[in-house]
This record gives sequence, structure tokens and C-alpha cells, in this order.
Amino acid sequence: GAVVSQHPSRVICKSGTSVKIECRSLDFQATTMFWYRQFPKKSLMLMATSNEGSKATYEQGVEKDKFLINHASLTLSTLTVTSAHPEDSSFYICSAPRRAGGPGGETQYFGPGTRLLVL
Amino acid sequence: AQSVTQPDIHITVSEGASLELRCNYSYGATPYLFWYVQSPGQGLQLLLKYFSGDTLVQGIKGFEAEFKRSQSSFNLRKPSVHWSDAAEYFCAVGARTGGFKTIFGAGTRLFVKA
Repeated sequence: GAVVSQHPSRVICKSGTSVKIECRSLDFQATTMFWYRQFPKKSLMLMATSNEGSKATYEQGVEKDKFLINHASLTLSTLTVTSAHPEDSSFYICSAPRRAGGPGGETQYFGPGTRLLVL
Repeated sequence: AQSVTQPDIHITVSEGASLELRCNYSYGATPYLFWYVQSPGQGLQLLLKYFSGDTLVQGIKGFEAEFKRSQSSFNLRKPSVHWSDAAEYFCAVGARTGGFKTIFGAGTRLFVKA
């Protein structure tokens, strides 16, 4: 079946450094991918829509310059947390929709998530 | 704008008892509706989805959900809960446009007691 991977699975970094998280669709192409953020014991908050070949679309309240998104190819989207601070510590999850068959055949596949801890 | 409400932050049921998790949505048209489960330290797993057709949807692990347009609800049910069902459950609505964006509810934590 379709699989979405994320790398790294967890990362610890010092405050002020930048961290890049990769999201790959392993056996299908995705012109669109989504990035979510999940706080402890909270729901997933949609951060942005990553669009292959064009700029990402950010949700209201999400800092574009803080969370840089690049959709370099049809199977890879990256999220870079720039100048990370402790409040950026969170669980980041990506997803990619795959369309199969007729109407209603869309399925969203989620990556396993990346836990970021900023010290 | 679409939104999802899960009224119950957490629910505790006895093993073997029936379960119903509530979900209400707000969306301008007929939505795509989903239920996901997230176990501690695990990724999201799709339990079931509704796009059209039969309003009673069967999913994996013995779960089912019923779409009720008049109530804007998509409640998740299971007739007999197992201890392994303890997890966080998320209801979600997916837009049919805009690249298939998915909006999640706040989640309901299910506890199963022996």
C-alpha cells in the first residue's frame, strides 16, 4: 500500500539552529502534501499546504519565515524550522493525498511524524 | 470554513462494552469524513471514511460510523471494546477542493478498563 515516510523521526537541537524535516511519498506521486503540528495531548493543527513547483499555502497564524516549506519533487516535501526556539518543540506530521479510482477514491496517507525538541 | 467538534475529551468504557464517540462537523457542502486512531508513539491510522452512498460505513477493527446529514454528525461506534482499543481518536473532515485539505477535531482519548 501507499506509504509516507518522514525523516528524522526525532531530533534534538539547540535554540537558534535550523532543522529540516523530510516527507516522502514512497510509491506514489503527490503534487500536494500537508504539514501538521501536534502539541502534547492535542489535535493536529494544519500548518500549510505544500505545492509541487509553487509556493506553499500557509494557514492563518503560521509564520512563513519560521516554517519554510519546499516541495522539490513529486515525492518530496521539506519543512525547515528556522532559528528554532523551545516553543517550536512539537510533533510534526506530514500527509500526502493519493487519488485512486473514481470520485471518493482519495485517501490521505500520513507520515509517522517527527518529534522536535529544542533546548 | 470547515470545522470538526468532538465534544468528549476523554471516555472510559469497560472491556466488552459498547462504544460511541461523537463527532459534529461544519462544512458548506457534502464533506469527506474520516475517523483516525493514534496510539501512543504511533502514527495516524485510518479507521474508516465516508464520501458518498451508504451512510453507515464499516471500517477496520470492528468500527463503524454513521453519517447523519440532518445532525451534521459522524459518530463512531463499536459494539464490543477491546483493551487494545485504548488510544486517541480523531474525527476529521476533508475538503473536496483546495488540494484535499483535512481538518481534525480535538480528539477523544479512550480509556478501557478491565
